[in-house]
Amino acid sequence: KNEVEQSPQNLTAQEGEFITINCSYSVGISALHWLQQHPGGGIVSLFMLSSGKKKHGRLIATINIQEKHSSLHITASHPRDSAVYICAVSGLAGGTSYGKLTFGQGTILTVHP
Amino acid sequence: ETGVTQTPRHLVMGMTNKKSLKCEQHLGHNAMYWYKQSAKKPLELMFVYNFKEQTENNSVPSRFSPECPNSSHLFLHLHTLQPEDSALYLCASSQALAGALQETQYFGPGTRLLVL
Repeated sequence: KNEVEQSPQNLTAQEGEFITINCSYSVGISALHWLQQHPGGGIVSLFMLSSGKKKHGRLIATINIQEKHSSLHITASHPRDSAVYICAVSGLAGGTSYGKLTFGQGTILTVHP
Repeated sequence: ETGVTQTPRHLVMGMTNKKSLKCEQHLGHNAMYWYKQSAKKPLELMFVYNFKEQTENNSVPSRFSPECPNSSHLFLHLHTLQPEDSALYLCASSQALAGALQETQYFGPGTRLLVL
């Protein structure tokens, strides 16, 4: 079982819909990251958070440390949001290396016009 | 544009070839990373360099040999690879602060490798 689990694995939405992607992790962490990967491979860091909530444009990320759970929300989704969204955690117990990230398997999001 | 470049973007090699992947970052960062992304698997960390020193080798086979001559450049030397090594290889960099484990990482576009 992966230490970082995302759901759903695939998500299809119509333009304008509100989207939620979930991430659960099994051990204590220092920070949680949300990343976006477009076709072709390039990865962009969207958020890094260790508590509470962050917002950037139509994207909102929340984390509940006690429940070891984070969500990524996209409001008013658009076809250009279609990508793979990846959750990653750093500072897992036993991971002493600087910057070591452990990744979820990703959620493939497709937004139709 | 991410400020992290990788060359080549695509590479096809035979199992007996020797090739190298190059990564360069123009962000003034001091930490650099190699990741492997295989089909239908999560990203896997391979190596971490912090101020040119290797601080993490995630049980990577010796047919992958990293080199970090300075904080801006990172190489991955490939030798006698196997078909299962075919994957997307991503480089990333971040600011290195003593004791900090949660710095944002900036990724390159990746090199898509096919081993025949």
